[in-house]
Amino acid sequence: DGGITQSPKYLFRKEGQNVTLSCEQNLNHDAMYWYRQDPGQGLRLIYYSQIVNDFQKGDIAEGYSVSREKKESFPLTVTSAQKNPTAFYLCASDLDTGELFFGEGSRLTVL
Amino acid sequence: QKEVEQNSGPLSVPEGAIASLNCTYSDRGSQSFFWYRQYSGKSPELIMSIYSNGDKEDGRFTAQLNKASQYVSLLIRDSQPSDSATYLCAVNMMDSSYKLIFGSGTRLLVRP
Repeated sequence: DGGITQSPKYLFRKEGQNVTLSCEQNLNHDAMYWYRQDPGQGLRLIYYSQIVNDFQKGDIAEGYSVSREKKESFPLTVTSAQKNPTAFYLCASDLDTGELFFGEGSRLTVL
Repeated sequence: QKEVEQNSGPLSVPEGAIASLNCTYSDRGSQSFFWYRQYSGKSPELIMSIYSNGDKEDGRFTAQLNKASQYVSLLIRDSQPSDSATYLCAVNMMDSSYKLIFGSGTRLLVRP
């Protein structure tokens, strides 16, 4: 079955640590996205990528980094520079239409 | 700042009623409009997209778009308790083909 797989589902981070969230899709979509959702809030775009080896900053890219070495994969690293990283992180992909398919999400908590 | 606004709710309706969810947006040049449903603790899923003025129906769901007034709405007929969720409106702003702006969502409660 086609879809998007995010891992881990739950992650705990200590202050000063970098953590990497995995996102893999087998939908053959060119575009991939990372969003952040805080309680009671909408989704805010962190980074997006339209093609392999290219990605663009979204509205809240500070403290995050990404790579796009393969079409299927778009991992997100939450660095120690991100001051308030506790959130629900959502990876999505589409055919550049806005009709996004989401993974199940990764919930990050800072201890 | 480009914005998409929704009433946070909760909107409470009895089972079998019509639920009406509204969304306004600030960018007059927006071309694509989407409704996503998000159950508590889960990721969003697309339920409707609309690109032209007027109504678009899909089963119990109807999306309505009025570009002149800059609003888009979602009607859910014969509401069921399983429709209880947060509904996110998303708009593709004119200056970025690849970036959706999401509203904060309206929480819908369907009472049995």
